[in-house]
Amino acid sequence: DTGVSQNPRHKITKRGQNVTFRCDPISEHNRLYWYRQTLGQGPEFLTYFQNEAQLEKSRLLSDRFSAERPKGSFSTLEIQRTEQGDSAMYLCASSLGVLETQYFGPGTRLLVL
Amino acid sequence: DQQVKQNSPSLSVQEGRISILNCDYTNSMFDYFLWYKKYPAEGPTFLISISSIKDKNEDGRFTVFLNKSAKHLSLHIVPSQPGDSAVYFCAARITGTASKLTFGTGTRLQVTL
Repeated sequence: DTGVSQNPRHKITKRGQNVTFRCDPISEHNRLYWYRQTLGQGPEFLTYFQNEAQLEKSRLLSDRFSAERPKGSFSTLEIQRTEQGDSAMYLCASSLGVLETQYFGPGTRLLVL
Repeated sequence: DQQVKQNSPSLSVQEGRISILNCDYTNSMFDYFLWYKKYPAEGPTFLISISSIKDKNEDGRFTVFLNKSAKHLSLHIVPSQPGDSAVYFCAARITGTASKLTFGTGTRLQVTL
């Protein structure tokens, strides 16, 4: 399977804990995006990388969120001091370039108790 | 500010008939539009797209129509099949540095036997 993969698929945590999600994009895709989807809504843009550079962050991404793509391949999204409002599906997508289609992974569903 | 709107939360269509899903947008800077299909517990799957320089794009059973003056697009599925039952998201982007996607809230399509 050469699609976008995300781990873990599900995460349950207690409020105040830190969590980290991983995304492996399609090989050779230089762009990687993170989105968040809450119940009844469409995915909302969080941030994106071109290679290892994080080029834009949404105002949805508070200081508790940090994303990295250290070698321009996989990416991690960390949420510190989780809050119940962070409960959502976190989606990763990748594309070959600015004009190309974004392909999504299966998502990581986070539940903060 | 919902820049991409899907006003029908759900749609039920008989197998073999045409499904028409609608989407409206408010930002005239959007120049590329996409439709994604999403099954429960999976990430969005790309279906079809259209550039703002076109008014129609066809791919097998799927056709997308774009009316720029009305800021409206629609997805036609003919003939509808039970496997088409899913949530369909309309997305738009401004092609540029980020090319991030702005999604609608989705329409749940149910194709009945």
